Amino acid sequence: ETGVTQSPTHLIKTRGQQVTLRCSSQSGHNTVSWYQQALGQGPQFIFQYYREEENGRGNFPPRFSGLQFPNYSSELNVNALELDDSALYLCASSSPGGSPMVRDTQYFGPGTRLTVL
Amino acid sequence: AQTVTQSQPEMSVQEAETVTLSCTYDTSESDYYLFWYKQPPSRQMILVIRQEAYKQQNATENRFSVNFQKAAKSFSLKISDSQLGDAAMYFCAYRDNYGQNFVFGPGTRLSVLP
Repeated sequence: ETGVTQSPTHLIKTRGQQVTLRCSSQSGHNTVSWYQQALGQGPQFIFQYYREEENGRGNFPPRFSGLQFPNYSSELNVNALELDDSALYLCASSSPGGSPMVRDTQYFGPGTRLTVL
Repeated sequence: AQTVTQSQPEMSVQEAETVTLSCTYDTSESDYYLFWYKQPPSRQMILVIRQEAYKQQNATENRFSVNFQKAAKSFSLKISDSQLGDAAMYFCAYRDNYGQNFVFGPGTRLSVLP
């Protein structure tokens, strides 16, 4: 069983640029969620995709957008980068199916560290 | 809006001893899920334990157990026989019944002393 993978591992951008982060979900999972984790803080929910549709969104502006593909992999796009966007971006996948203990439980990838200068 | 609070920014425990991490949350929902996640310095978030709000029985996973008090909106994590590998940031998390809203607490950094 392949776990959640994310690319790239690290990224440096300058203010005003655009960035795309990628996530491959765990085998069998059709739901992907994205989180922003600032240094020393807990993850903040950005949005979730289920079967290629946005299925929930946290308190993030529209310049944070996403996509989910037919193979359930996902992209997070951030436009007009700001200094405060510097953070660890986590992707998590889950599935509404399976045993009660695993149903809808999120499994996280290693994250992408984004630095905005 | 739902909130999750972890009042202990840092905790330490002696190896082989027991430690309890606190978590309180606020929600008006009756059905939801609660989780404890561990984030070691390597940063990959790992699920420790989960609890469905409709279940009165406290969840257990080997050395990890929770004390879920629904009326008090409290969800503490007990780690028994602490090991050096338990050292990490621990996050308490809430998820609504529809799976569309996830809220994490600020975390508790646990140190395990040899």
